[in-house]
Amino acid sequence: DQQVKQNSPSLSVQEGRISILNCDYTNSMFDYFLWYKKYPAEGPTFLISISSIKDKNEDGRFTVFLNKSAKHLSLHIVPSQPGDSAVYFCAAKNTGTASKLTFGTGTRLQVTL
Amino acid sequence: DAGITQSPRYKITETGRQVTLMCHQTWSHSYMFWYRQDLGHGLRLIYYSAAADITDKGEVPDGYVVSRSKTENFPLTLESATRSQTSVYFCASSEANTEAFFGQGTRLTVV
Repeated sequence: DQQVKQNSPSLSVQEGRISILNCDYTNSMFDYFLWYKKYPAEGPTFLISISSIKDKNEDGRFTVFLNKSAKHLSLHIVPSQPGDSAVYFCAAKNTGTASKLTFGTGTRLQVTL
Repeated sequence: DAGITQSPRYKITETGRQVTLMCHQTWSHSYMFWYRQDLGHGLRLIYYSAAADITDKGEVPDGYVVSRSKTENFPLTLESATRSQTSVYFCASSEANTEAFFGQGTRLTVV
């Protein structure tokens, strides 16, 4: 049973435009959400996170939005750059239990010139 | 070097062999994790550890063994490798309720 879902395996966006990556979760006990970026042959690197007490967190070009009632979060990248081309993983955890992360299946973002 | 390192980076082994993947972190993080990455499944948790000598199963623990005698090391052993264990394995570490930091991964092929 996939508790964190990324329903779009891939996304292509033009340079300078907005990239929107989506993530849905089913476990209502999740209260902390993270996005990781992964380049080929490298480990995932942390990008941005959001606690369930917030609905938005911004860091430069990256903004994460959380809609708790819909159990949905999204990552916005504005403006998109070619170096943003990577696989993006959404992850979630229940901060009350062991800090383990549950990951989605990933979305491959390609930013074209 | 500071950070989290995995070894080897690449490994080919035969079915039925025992193989150990190593993970070492220099931050003294309490938590350490092993994930495997497979197409269509994302990253799935194999085992994790909250501290030295404390380990627990994740989502896909069958066929794997871990130990954590020292805070900085968290080796993952495949006792009798199977083809279904061909994957990319990632080790990670974190403190409680912070982001996890990942190693570069070990690509394991079981033939």
